[in-house]
Formats: sequence, C-alpha cells, structure tokens
Amino acid sequence: SQKIEQNSEALNIQEGKTATLTCNYTNYSPAYLQWYRQDPGRGPVFLLLIRENEKEKRKERLKVTFDTTLKQSLFHITASQPADSATYLCALDRDGGSQGNLIFGKGTKLSVKP
Amino acid sequence: GAVVSQHPSWVICKSGTSVKIECRSLDFQATTMFWYRQFPKQSLMLMATSNEGSKATYEQGVEKDKFLINHASLTLSTLTVTSAHPEDSSFYICSARAPSRVISTLHFGNGTRLTVT
Repeated sequence: SQKIEQNSEALNIQEGKTATLTCNYTNYSPAYLQWYRQDPGRGPVFLLLIRENEKEKRKERLKVTFDTTLKQSLFHITASQPADSATYLCALDRDGGSQGNLIFGKGTKLSVKP
Repeated sequence: GAVVSQHPSWVICKSGTSVKIECRSLDFQATTMFWYRQFPKQSLMLMATSNEGSKATYEQGVEKDKFLINHASLTLSTLTVTSAHPEDSSFYICSARAPSRVISTLHFGNGTRLTVT
C-alpha cells in the first residue's frame, strides 16, 4: 500500500540554524509533492510544490528537494526564526492526477528556540 | 485570494445530537471540496470528497449515513455529524481545490474542533 512517512515527529533547533525535515514515500510514483505548514488549531497552509522532474525548488528561506530515486523529499528552512515554529506536512497526490486528492504525512513539529 | 472559511471553529454538543459544519470558498468557485478529520499528533485523514451537484465519495471505513455531506453550490459544502458520540470528537477540516489550476494545491479552512459530551 502507498505510504508517506515523516520520520521525525519533532525537531528542535536554535534560532538562525537551518532546519531540515524529511519526507519518504513507498509504493508510489508521484508526479509532484507538496509541503504545507499547520499551526495549532488551524488548517494547513500551502508552502511549496515540486514536480518529479525538478530537483530543487526555492521560495525565500524555504528550499525543497525531490529525489525520485530515493523516494524522498527534504524541506529546509534557512536562518530559522521562532515564528517558523509549526508542524510541517508533506503531501502526495493519491491517484497521480491533479484532482487534489492528497495523502498527507503525520507531520514534523518544528520548534525554533531563541 | 483563495480563502476558505469554515464555521463554526469549535462546537460542543451532547451525545445523540447532530452537528453541521460549513465550508465556504469566499473568492473562488470550488467544484471539489474535501473533508478530513485529524486526531492529535496524527495526519489528516480524508473522509470524503464532495463534488458540487453530485453525491460525495466516501473513503473506506467512513459511514456515509453518519457523516452527511452536501455540496449544493460551487461555494458551499456542509458536513453533518449525525447522532454524534464521544468517539466522534475530533478536529474536522475542509479544503477546496480551485478548478483553474492544472496541478491542485489545496486551500484549507481553519478547522472545527468538535467535542461530544
């Protein structure tokens, strides 16, 4: 069965450091992968999307990589700030289409300490 | 743009009663909306896909007679939890897909915290 795993339930880092979150998947060949941010008691907010033919995508202090051989995506936040503290979710489309039917990882809760 | 409003943000109800949750796309038309539930420290679990003007598609294990979904217009989908029980207590979140996008990113509501006493 299709699985998507975010190995770390929680990640604690010091302000200014780079946070690196991991997303792995099995039994799957997604056309693209997405990352979302979720704050406590709120719905997720879309951050970045990376396609299978893209190695890397950047948006301000965020960087996402996508290795289809390793079946892995890495999500980096450089120069992290306490305001970056949140849960980050990776998501894949379930049926290879573009209908928005996504499967989500459990998320990694990032805490950035001042 | 692409704002999804979900109401109420929290609700407490007694066991056996029904609760309706609304999900509205405020500035775009959403032909498809999704309903999820999320337990603490768990992933978003898709409950059903709601398509405007047709019956919802439920995920395996989700009782369609218990979780009634209506998508009567391009901007509104509702989830009604019927005969609620304490085990239905959870965080329910809706999302909408903007139809103009080739690849679908989802726009989420802020969720509804349901507590059944």
